[in-house]
Parts: sequence; C-alpha cells; structure tokens
Amino acid sequence: QVQLQESGPGLVKPSQTLSLTCTVSGGSISSGSYYWSWIRQPAGKGLEWLGRIYAGGGTNYNPSLKSRVTMSVDTSRNQFSLKLSSVTAADTAVYYCAREASDSSVWGQGTLVTVSS
Amino acid sequence: DIVMTQSPLSLSVTPGEPASISCRSSQSLLHSNGFDYLGWFLQRPGQSPQLLIYLGSNRASGVPDRFSGSGSGADFTLKISRVEAEDAGLYYCMQARQTPFTFGQGTKLEIK
Repeated sequence: QVQLQESGPGLVKPSQTLSLTCTVSGGSISSGSYYWSWIRQPAGKGLEWLGRIYAGGGTNYNPSLKSRVTMSVDTSRNQFSLKLSSVTAADTAVYYCAREASDSSVWGQGTLVTVSS
Repeated sequence: DIVMTQSPLSLSVTPGEPASISCRSSQSLLHSNGFDYLGWFLQRPGQSPQLLIYLGSNRASGVPDRFSGSGSGADFTLKISRVEAEDAGLYYCMQARQTPFTFGQGTKLEIK
C-alpha cells in the first residue's frame, strides 16, 4: 500500500524559500496514471490546492501563488518536491502531499511549516 | 476559479440518525466524458483528509456503504444513512473539473 511522507524545515524566515519533499513508499512514482499534489491548510482553516506534477514533469500550479511555486519530481529517489519563494506569515500552514487519480486519493500525514523570524 | 459552497457549515447528529451535506459549485463540474469531477473528503481530528466519494457518486475503496454521494452539474449531496461516532470530523467537497482545484469551506459534523 502506497504511503507518502512529507519532510523539510518546520521554520522558515520571511522572504526566504520554503522547501518540502514528499517521499513515496510502497509504489513507484513513475507507475500508473497518477499525479502528485501539494495542498496546505492554515491552522483552523480550510484546504488550499497548491498544484500538481506528473511523473513526466508536467505541472499545474495555483495562480493565486503568483509564480512563487515550483514543483519537481525525482524518479530515482521516488520523491517529489515543493518550493515556495518569498514566504510571509500567510504561508504558515500544514502542508500535505498527495497521490491523486480519478478514483483515489492518498495523502501524507502533513507537516507544519511556520514562517517567522 | 470555481467557487465551492457547502451547507450547512456545522451539524450535530445523534448516532443512528441520517446526515446530509450540500455542495454547490459556481460552474458545472460535468465533463464531456459524462463524469462529474466532484469528490468528498472526511478529515477526522488530527488526521489528514481521506477520500470518501469520487466522481460525484462513487465510494472510494474501504468506505462504508452508509456513505453515498449524489448530484450532477453544480449541485451535489453527501448523505450518511446512519451516523456513527467515528464519522465525526470535517467534511469537504472538492472540484477537480479544472485547475486550480478548489475545496468547499468544510462542514463540521458533531456526534451528539
């Protein structure tokens, strides 16, 4: 059974770049018709879809992030990554990675990232 | 962006009683392939969201049959036929018809 695990710094300074990695186990990131997504949730608030990437590297980003977001995939390590530049306190949230298909959705446990000096 | 609107935002239900949550989208979620790209998720306290329903009315693997999804176009409903204690949490609808995918505000289900 596929599992996803987010990792990265829990504290990022304002104006710096947030970098997270999602490690996929129990299945190959290159197999199947899946896309690999990032979603975030500020404390006590709802869910925001940040974007997705395919194993081949194609991406769709949320325009609300105004070109601050970059996603990449490393098939050799079975990982995909999120970079969010020029962060502010508004980017403080639990960040989730997920594997999506039309009939399934598997999420990681989430990782809290706090933006503070 | 497609705006998703859920109602009610909270409800309190006695175990064994039914529950219903509505989700409306600002645009039709019906694709030319005949599928509605609408999913329902449950987020239990302290956990990540889990998929309950996909493509409007299909139960995800392992989801009890007391959960059902219905609707088409821009009007959808999640029903729980007999609520159990483990059903407590936040319910979200999400549209996957077009990017950026968007979620409803969430509906908090409390068990009396």
